[in-house]
Amino acid sequence: AIQMTQSPSSLSASVGDRVTITCRASQGIRNDLGWYQQKPGKAPKLLIYAASSLQSGVPSRFSGSGSGTDFTLTISSLQPEDFATYYCLQDYNYPLTFGQGTKVEIK
Amino acid sequence: EVQLVESGGGLVQPGGSLRLSCAASGFTFSSYWMSWVRQAPGKGLEWVANIKQDGSEKYYVDSVKGRFTISRDNAKNSLYLQMNSLRAEDTAVYYCARLPQANTGPDYWGQGTLVTVSS
Repeated sequence: AIQMTQSPSSLSASVGDRVTITCRASQGIRNDLGWYQQKPGKAPKLLIYAASSLQSGVPSRFSGSGSGTDFTLTISSLQPEDFATYYCLQDYNYPLTFGQGTKVEIK
Repeated sequence: EVQLVESGGGLVQPGGSLRLSCAASGFTFSSYWMSWVRQAPGKGLEWVANIKQDGSEKYYVDSVKGRFTISRDNAKNSLYLQMNSLRAEDTAVYYCARLPQANTGPDYWGQGTLVTVSS
């Protein structure tokens, strides 16, 4: 199974900060990667698919980049509603595998 | 509006069985792959199973192979997960999710149903 390693596991940031989360795959996965946001007690929400495509309705401050093994989710200006846990997911092959998550907390 | 509503969770003893259901609405259910994803308490997300539109292809994570069965009834717009030989490590919130295409991650998720395996 492909292992997805996210970093950092958690971070503290202030409103207005630029935040970057990385995800590394144990083997090349082309651009078959998505990013999800999850708030406590809620279902995950799709932010980015195919590594860099913004899901409909998601604010443009979210962006994704990368291909092969290294991927990045960037929040250009952190908003209060963005404090949550973020997961990457590879859909290159089965079994689909998630990163362990990155918790974004208020500084 | 896409809606996915899970049901069937609850407390079950180790070795027991449970059947989860997911009622779909707001889209043409028969046109989409569907998925189950779970999350143990305080832990991350784990993909469990996918099923093709007509049920002809199914995929599972190794830890549930031979114990769980994903199925669907397109006439009832419903997705199911039959869980047998349940273990403590199967304790989790189980989410039903829609896949926009084959071999992609989910785009819409239900609110989840909690399964607790304990004596």
